[in-house]
Amino acid sequence: DAGVIQSPRHEVTEMGQEVTLRCKPISGHNSLFWYRQTMMRGLELLIYFNNNVPIDDSGMPEDRFSAKMPNASFSTLKIQPSEPRDSAVYFCASSSGTANTGELFFGEGSRLTVL
Amino acid sequence: DQQVKQNSPSLSVQEGRISILNCDYTNSMFDYFLWYKKYPAEGPTFLISISSIKDKNEDGRFTVFLNKSAKHLSLHIVPSQPGDSAVYFCAARSNYQLIWGAGTKLIIKP
Repeated sequence: DAGVIQSPRHEVTEMGQEVTLRCKPISGHNSLFWYRQTMMRGLELLIYFNNNVPIDDSGMPEDRFSAKMPNASFSTLKIQPSEPRDSAVYFCASSSGTANTGELFFGEGSRLTVL
Repeated sequence: DQQVKQNSPSLSVQEGRISILNCDYTNSMFDYFLWYKKYPAEGPTFLISISSIKDKNEDGRFTVFLNKSAKHLSLHIVPSQPGDSAVYFCAARSNYQLIWGAGTKLIIKP
């Protein structure tokens, strides 16, 4: 069974450039989460989708960040323009809904370095 | 305002002995507590969970204990194995949100 698939695994870019991270959730899962992990702040929830609809984007740092989920099998997280402080590992996770124990299935992450 | 705290950044345990990882929380409304394990360059993977109405859940070498009066939970791993070396995250669920601790790095010494 394919797990959550994220791309790219690594991205190095220069300040001011646009960055797009991609995620394919597990088939049949109706909840999708984007997280950011840094040494200083740990795992932070950026945005949560349920049935492709953004439910909570209060964790999105600022207007430079945007996320979309055009269909049940694909989501993007975009940063435009990128800044060095955006350097982090970005994780996508999916789950089968809120009726379960809350278990999330994570992708392997996208490590972003903004120079 | 940290609602979920893991006060030990790291823990070193001899192979074969018991590893005990601790987690404290402040919100009485959490309904599930979960432990995740994370290896370097990988995403966190689910390990074990416990409902707020239980006080113990066991799965093989892993047991989670919940003390609601103390707002404290712990993960016991026995016997500890080299492959258990990883970062362990405690998480608590409130509605759809998982609130995460900062993690504890467990090192199993041979």
